[in-house]
Amino acid sequence: QKEVEQDPGPLSVPEGAIVSLNCTYSNSAFQYFMWYRQYSRKGPELLMYTYSSGNKEDGRFTAQVDKSSKYISLFIRDSQPSDSATYLCAMKIGGYSTLTFGKGTMLLVSP
Amino acid sequence: DSGVTQTPKHLITATGQRVTLRCSPRSGDLSVYWYQQSLDQGLQFLIQYYNGEERAKGNILERFSAQQFPDLHSELNLSSLELGDSALYFCASSGQGLNTEAFFGQGTRLTVV
Repeated sequence: QKEVEQDPGPLSVPEGAIVSLNCTYSNSAFQYFMWYRQYSRKGPELLMYTYSSGNKEDGRFTAQVDKSSKYISLFIRDSQPSDSATYLCAMKIGGYSTLTFGKGTMLLVSP
Repeated sequence: DSGVTQTPKHLITATGQRVTLRCSPRSGDLSVYWYQQSLDQGLQFLIQYYNGEERAKGNILERFSAQQFPDLHSELNLSSLELGDSALYFCASSGQGLNTEAFFGQGTRLTVV
């Protein structure tokens, strides 16, 4: 079993839809969770960074962490064609430990 | 712009050759991470340096090596290149504090022919 599982998609939605992207993980030691957006094999861009279980909101983006279920989500409200990209979840144990990434979910938002 | 600079952006080289990829971290960041991204493998962690010292090693081949210099820039050296080494190589940096987030450069696209 991989440490971090993420459905590769593609996930196709119409403009304006609410998008839900998810990752599950197996290592209960993970404490810090991130979501990155990657356009066309460019560098991953940090979207959200969370520590505690619960929700964190930033504009149209909401990150949700459920440590008891080892499950994290990223919600995108009012999705736009410009949101079309690959979304990568990442997590780390803490301190200066390295990031472990999911394989990414490709999102396509059609006008 | 993340503030992490990688050069060159593209590199085409022949099998058996050696190349050096360069990364300048964000101003003040002490940690540098190197990742490889190929189509079928996702982002694979290679190696991490913190303030000039190797901190962690991932799935880095013996043909690959890295270092971080006193000015905190880092270089990833790839030798005896094989076709399978063709990939995007990303550098990321993070700040001095514990548990800080990592910011990525735009990557170097390596093509081995």
